[in-house]
Amino acid sequence: DIQVTQSPSSVSASVGDRVTITCRASQDISGWLAWYQQKPGKAPKLLIYAVSTLVSGVPSRFSGSGSGTDFTLTISSLQPEDFATYYCQQANSFPLTFGGGTKVEIK
Amino acid sequence: EVQLVESGGGLIQPGGSLRLSCAASGFTISNYYMSWVRQVPGKGLECVSNLYIRDSIYYADSVKGRFTISRDSSKNTLYLQMNSLRAEDTGIYYCARGGWHSDFDYWGQGTLVTVSS
Repeated sequence: DIQVTQSPSSVSASVGDRVTITCRASQDISGWLAWYQQKPGKAPKLLIYAVSTLVSGVPSRFSGSGSGTDFTLTISSLQPEDFATYYCQQANSFPLTFGGGTKVEIK
Repeated sequence: EVQLVESGGGLIQPGGSLRLSCAASGFTISNYYMSWVRQVPGKGLECVSNLYIRDSIYYADSVKGRFTISRDSSKNTLYLQMNSLRAEDTGIYYCARGGWHSDFDYWGQGTLVTVSS
């Protein structure tokens, strides 16, 4: 199984801060990496797929990068609506696995 | 507009059975990979089952032999039959479009399954 490790598990930040979340897969996932945002009581929402492709309507302050086993989600200037939990997910092989999540909290 | 609406969750005793449904609209489920993803409240996400275009199916080890995924194309509905339920099956079950080599681009609102005596 491909293990997906996300860090940090939580981060406290202020509006306007730059936030970076990392995701490491236990083996090469050939670019099959997506990022999701989840707010309390809601289903996850797809933000980025194929490592760096932004879903239509997602603000450009979100960006994704990486290759092979190491990936990054960056929020360039944190906005009030960005406080949420973020998950990465690999879709390269079964079982499809998610990272443990990163909770972005208000400082 | 793409929509996924789950139903069928509830409180069930250990060893019992439930069938979850996911009614889709705005697209044809038989043309897409479809999946069930669960989340223990306050915890992470686990993909428990996937159904693919050519009817190939995947189950997580934790549910293999107990859960069955299926679809009714005439109703454009995805199902998850859950038997021999255990306390550790408790969670919110989401229906999602997507799976292997594709992202989960649409999700339902989720249905809560609680396994407890």
